[in-house]
Amino acid sequence: GAVVSQHPSRVICKSGTSVKIECRSLDFQATTMFWYRQFPKQSLMLMATSNEGSKATYEQGVEKDKFLINHASLTLSTLTVTSAHPEDSSFYICSAIAGADGYTFGSGTRLTVV
Amino acid sequence: SQELEQSPQSLIVQEGKNLTINCTSSKTLYGLYWYKQKYGEGLIFLMMLQKGGEEKSHEKITAKLDEKKQQSSLHITASQPSHAGIYLCGAESNTNAGKSTFGDGTTLTVKP
Repeated sequence: GAVVSQHPSRVICKSGTSVKIECRSLDFQATTMFWYRQFPKQSLMLMATSNEGSKATYEQGVEKDKFLINHASLTLSTLTVTSAHPEDSSFYICSAIAGADGYTFGSGTRLTVV
Repeated sequence: SQELEQSPQSLIVQEGKNLTINCTSSKTLYGLYWYKQKYGEGLIFLMMLQKGGEEKSHEKITAKLDEKKQQSSLHITASQPSHAGIYLCGAESNTNAGKSTFGDGTTLTVKP
């Protein structure tokens, strides 16, 4: 089936630094990818929709300048958490629509800001 | 926005027992997905339902979507420890195709 590779799986960064998370579709082209955030024991919350070649669409309440999304190719979308703070610590997951396979999710990135 | 209510929030069953998890939407569903997740890991796609009354099975897991397309159930027969995890239902409305919302999840523990 369709595979979405997400990297890194875990990252620890210092407060005030930026962190980039990559999401790649390995065997299909993804014109649209989705970024989610998940807090412990809570469901996934959609942050933004990433569109290849155009600006991302952010959900209400998500800071565009803090969570920068770039979708420069049909197989790669990146999420950059800028000037990270401890409250940004969370689990981030990307997904893409893989045709008949429906949604395919990355394995997630656990971000810890210290 | 599409709101999904999932129940129960957690479930502990003895190995070999059957169980059911429910997912109810406040709006008509365009597509309903079931996923399994171990917290801190990615989601594993289980099944997708789109038609009213549709039922799909995979191994010992059966998912159904009601005729009105507002409620789905996930049924596990003869549960095993390998079934343990978090089960999430996800859905998209026809007005926001491609954008999923999720239920809060059901944490399943299977006691050997």
